[in-house]
Amino acid sequence: AQTVTQSQPEMSVQEAETVTLSCTYDTSESDYYLFWYKQPPSRQMILVIRQEAYKQQNATENRFSVNFQKAAKSFSLKISDSQLGDAAMYFCALSGYALNFGKGTSLLVTP
Amino acid sequence: EPEVTQTPSHQVTQMGQEVILRCVPISNHLYFYWYRQILGQKVEFLVSFYNNEISEKSEIFDDQFSVERPDGSNFTLKIRSTKLEDSAMYFCASTIKLARYNEQFFGPGTRLTVL
Repeated sequence: AQTVTQSQPEMSVQEAETVTLSCTYDTSESDYYLFWYKQPPSRQMILVIRQEAYKQQNATENRFSVNFQKAAKSFSLKISDSQLGDAAMYFCALSGYALNFGKGTSLLVTP
Repeated sequence: EPEVTQTPSHQVTQMGQEVILRCVPISNHLYFYWYRQILGQKVEFLVSFYNNEISEKSEIFDDQFSVERPDGSNFTLKIRSTKLEDSAMYFCASTIKLARYNEQFFGPGTRLTVL
């Protein structure tokens, strides 16, 4: 069975600072994908970044990057130069026949 | 930019009533999903649908749930006899093809409140 764990229910960051959101997972698959989705107050979930398990290089999308540690089954999201618009729930998800989500981390961005 | 839409945004119903939640996936997408999120809990997979039939379903998706694509655009989730514990946000998602790396595009959700 697959599991995804996000151990930080809430995080806070000041504008322009960097924050890291944690995610650990477990799967018996050798080939899989990991995703971070953002859910702002408008409720529509938006893909932030994705990582292929067999790729060593960590994915990067502008201010968003991941630290993927396959052996440790860890997949953290780093947000650099945080902006007020980054405030949202962030969900880590693992691919399968459907997405398997963690419980989410609520990110607060303070001016 | 194309997006997944869902109606209604909020549905209030009495326990035991039937509800139908509606979704319009992105037009060229072929795979459709329903997820639910009980308040304070994680987003959970309910069912996936392809080529007019269910391709996968979770243990949550029991006989009180059904899905349908009644025409070329809508994708519906029906709950036959709602229970208090069905109160949740229900998200529809779609993707163009089934592959582990494919981004699923989510709708804004329907908040279902069962009284």
